[in-house]
Amino acid sequence: EDKVVQSPLSLVVHEGDTVTLNCSYEVTNFRSLLWYKQEKKAPTFLFMLTSSGIEKKSGRLSSILDKKELFSILNITATQTGDSAIYLCAVAGANSKLTFGKGITLSVRP
Amino acid sequence: NAGVMQNPRHLVRRRGQEARLRCSPMKGHSHVYWYRQLPEEGLKFMVYLQKENIIDESGMPKERFSAEFPKEGPSILRIQQVVRGDSAAYFCASSRSQGAGQETQYFGPGTRLLVL
Repeated sequence: EDKVVQSPLSLVVHEGDTVTLNCSYEVTNFRSLLWYKQEKKAPTFLFMLTSSGIEKKSGRLSSILDKKELFSILNITATQTGDSAIYLCAVAGANSKLTFGKGITLSVRP
Repeated sequence: NAGVMQNPRHLVRRRGQEARLRCSPMKGHSHVYWYRQLPEEGLKFMVYLQKENIIDESGMPKERFSAEFPKEGPSILRIQQVVRGDSAAYFCASSRSQGAGQETQYFGPGTRLLVL
């Protein structure tokens, strides 16, 4: 059975801090790994990673995948209160169906 | 470009009633996925559909749940004879295809089902 484990489960930081969110996985027929941000509503797409070692960046967020060690990290630099959310890691396996981790709850205090 | 649309956003049903959840994929997307999020749990895959075809329903409960994606109109997730344990947030996602670079799934706002 495909499995995704995220850590830590929750995190409290102050504005301006840098955070690293972890995601490890076991999946057959790996296609891609995706990160989403979930506030009160829909999970919002952040990144899709398919190749090892290639960093993807979007503003203060970046992510990288290690297919040998089966993990990914999501970094957020200079955090802001608007970064407070649940960050979801998911792996696409057969038929592209996504297996999600339980999510990491990030709270950024002013 | 409108995103994935789901309705209703909130649905209250009594035990034994039927629940119908609708999902309209993003324009140009022909692949639809349904996921369920129970309290304190992650999103769980339920079913993957293309127009008029169920591709993978390995995550669907064997009874009371069904899904369709007709040639015209939205995808429907139907839950018959709802029980309290069906209370959850149901999310729909869509993608353009399964081809490289086009398989990113974009999510709708979800339908929050409450069974009394």
